[in-house]
Amino acid sequence: DTGVSQNPRHKITKRGQNVTFRCDPISEHNRLYWYRQTLGQGPEFLTYFQNEAQLEKSRLLSDRFSAERPKGSFSTLEIQRTEQGDSAMYLCASSPPWTDSNYGYTFGSGTRLTVV
Amino acid sequence: AQSVAQPEDQVNVAEGNPLTVKCTYSVSGNPYLFWYVQYPNRGLQFLLKYITGDNLVKGSYGFEAEFNKSQTSFHLKKPSALVSDSALYFCAVRAPGYSSASKIIFGSGTRLSIRP
Repeated sequence: DTGVSQNPRHKITKRGQNVTFRCDPISEHNRLYWYRQTLGQGPEFLTYFQNEAQLEKSRLLSDRFSAERPKGSFSTLEIQRTEQGDSAMYLCASSPPWTDSNYGYTFGSGTRLTVV
Repeated sequence: AQSVAQPEDQVNVAEGNPLTVKCTYSVSGNPYLFWYVQYPNRGLQFLLKYITGDNLVKGSYGFEAEFNKSQTSFHLKKPSALVSDSALYFCAVRAPGYSSASKIIFGSGTRLSIRP
């Protein structure tokens, strides 16, 4: 297991197009998180899965954003009708299913989205 | 709701000198506190965490952090800085307990610059 994998590493798209990112977490981790990070800022929470269930969504996640984790393994984050303000680094993280999951997350390298 | 403040956007230190990166937090109950480091075009790497026990926590690459409950602080420290420590550092907090609300919240980050 090589950690959390995110694809693609970079994505350039025209405004109005749809994009989809993929995250493969560490295999024994049942919790998966998506964050967005803009230049010079800390990561902002977007959404969280426990197994296949999406348990929380941030207000940052507009109707144009949708995330899935259909089999409780990999996850996808789709952005429809992209806007220039969507340009950011999208980070995925996972954590294990310990009873009191106090372990820090393991992050992927991120997908950098540029909307032109 | 939990929050984290990193009052310094940038910290400049000469190589070999001690360094401190400041962090204060706000959370209900006993916090889980974390430090992460981010190198250019990379994801976040876990440095250390405080859950309970000794107030001085040791982590990766010679870093340590001191938990101060009365001052609600969790400052990152290193006795002797290296040029390779130059990176973006994030403090993060999570409320205790196993619930969907217990996501990690990040500060805005502090850029650490170590001059030779």
